[in-house]
Amino acid sequence: AQSVAQPEDQVNVAEGNPLTVKCTYSVSGNPYLFWYVQYPNRGLQFLLKYITGDNLVKGSYGFEAEFNKSQTSFHLKKPSALVSDSALYFCAVRATDSWGKLQFGAGTQVVVTP
Amino acid sequence: EPEVTQTPSHQVTQMGQEVILRCVPISNHLYFYWYRQILGQKVEFLVSFYNNEISEKSEIFDDQFSVERPDGSNFTLKIRSTKLEDSAMYFCASRLAGNEQFFGPGTRLTVL
Repeated sequence: AQSVAQPEDQVNVAEGNPLTVKCTYSVSGNPYLFWYVQYPNRGLQFLLKYITGDNLVKGSYGFEAEFNKSQTSFHLKKPSALVSDSALYFCAVRATDSWGKLQFGAGTQVVVTP
Repeated sequence: EPEVTQTPSHQVTQMGQEVILRCVPISNHLYFYWYRQILGQKVEFLVSFYNNEISEKSEIFDDQFSVERPDGSNFTLKIRSTKLEDSAMYFCASRLAGNEQFFGPGTRLTVL
């Protein structure tokens, strides 16, 4: 069975500082990993994915994520946070042998203060 | 930019009533999904749909649930006899052959 853990319910960061949102996963076989963001009253917006290749993947809005197979982690990062980055962030994993079913983490609320 | 749309944005119903939640996936996408998010909980997979049939479903997706793609553009989720615990935000998603799914804005279902 696959699972995703986001150990932090909330991350607080000052604008301009680096932002990291943590994610660890468990899946049989090679994982497909995703980050989504949810703004209030909006759907889930795709940020980035890791399928194969370079462990550092770049996505939308200046976000990037680092895949670490030995630590089974896929942390989301942004070098300089903006107030507009305040939102709910979800990590998700898909098993390679599924029809695309995503298993989501519980979500991490990011609060960026001016 | 094409997007997934869902209607209604909010549905209120009485326990035991049938509801149909509607989604219009991105037009050239081939795989369709429903997820739900009970308030304060994780986003949970319900069902995936490909080539006009269910390809995968979760244990949540029991006989009270059904999905349909009636006309090549809409993708619907029907709950035959709603229960209080069906109250949640329901998200539709679609994808092409690539791996990322694109989500709609959701329908908030409230069962009274």
